[in-house]
Amino acid sequence: AQSVTQLGSHVSVSEGALVLLRCNYSSSVPPYLFWYVQYPNQGLQLLLKYTSAATLVKGINGFEAEFKKSETSFHLTKPSAHMSDAAEYFCAVGGKAAGNKLTFGGGTRVLVKP
Amino acid sequence: DGGITQSPKYLFRKEGQNVTLSCEQNLNHDAMYWYRQDPGQGLRLIYYSQIVNDFQKGDIAEGYSVSREKKESFPLTVTSAQKNPTAFYLCASSIGASGGRELFFGEGSRLTVL
Repeated sequence: AQSVTQLGSHVSVSEGALVLLRCNYSSSVPPYLFWYVQYPNQGLQLLLKYTSAATLVKGINGFEAEFKKSETSFHLTKPSAHMSDAAEYFCAVGGKAAGNKLTFGGGTRVLVKP
Repeated sequence: DGGITQSPKYLFRKEGQNVTLSCEQNLNHDAMYWYRQDPGQGLRLIYYSQIVNDFQKGDIAEGYSVSREKKESFPLTVTSAQKNPTAFYLCASSIGASGGRELFFGEGSRLTVL
C-alpha cells in the first residue's frame, strides 16, 4: 500500500521568498516520487520526479526536491517565489509493484503576495 | 501538436442520467487513466488501461464504466449509480505502464449534477 501526506492545504509566500511545500509518503517498496503543478481549470503538469537516481532532483521553473529515505519525505522548494508560481501543487507516489498507478496527496495551494 | 483532448470541458447532468466523457490522445501512448478530483482530496484513480481491449478498476470505480477499443481513445461513462458525480475529471496517459513514467494530463472535464 502507498500513501502521500501533504502538510498544509494552503501556503502563502511573498514574492521573492522561499517556497517550501512538504510531502511525506509511505510505500512498502522503493518509491517513485513526483511533483505536479496545476493551474486553475487545467490538467496537471510534471515539475520533477525521483526514480532512484540522484536524491536531489531539479525540475522546471526553478523548483527542486530532495528525497530523504530516513524521513520518508520529498519536499519541494524554490529559492525565490514568482507571481507565476501561484497554483496548486500535488505530490504523488508510485512503486514498481503498482505499475504506473500513482497515489496523489491532497494538494497544496500556493498564494504569492506582491 | 501531440496531446490529450478531453471533451466536453463543462457538462451538466440531471440526476438519473448517464453521461460519457471523451478522452483522445495522439501521443501513441499505451496506458491511459481516469482520475477524479475533489477539493482537498487530490486525485483518485477511477479506471486505467495498460493496453487496448483491457482495463482495470482503480480505487473508486463504483458507478463508472470505461472502454478501450482503440489505442487513442478511453471514454468514461458516469452512470446513474454514481452517488456523488459532481467533480472535475482528468484523463491521463503514459508511454508505458511500468512504474516511474510521467503522466500527461488533459485539461479536464467539469461535471455538475443538477
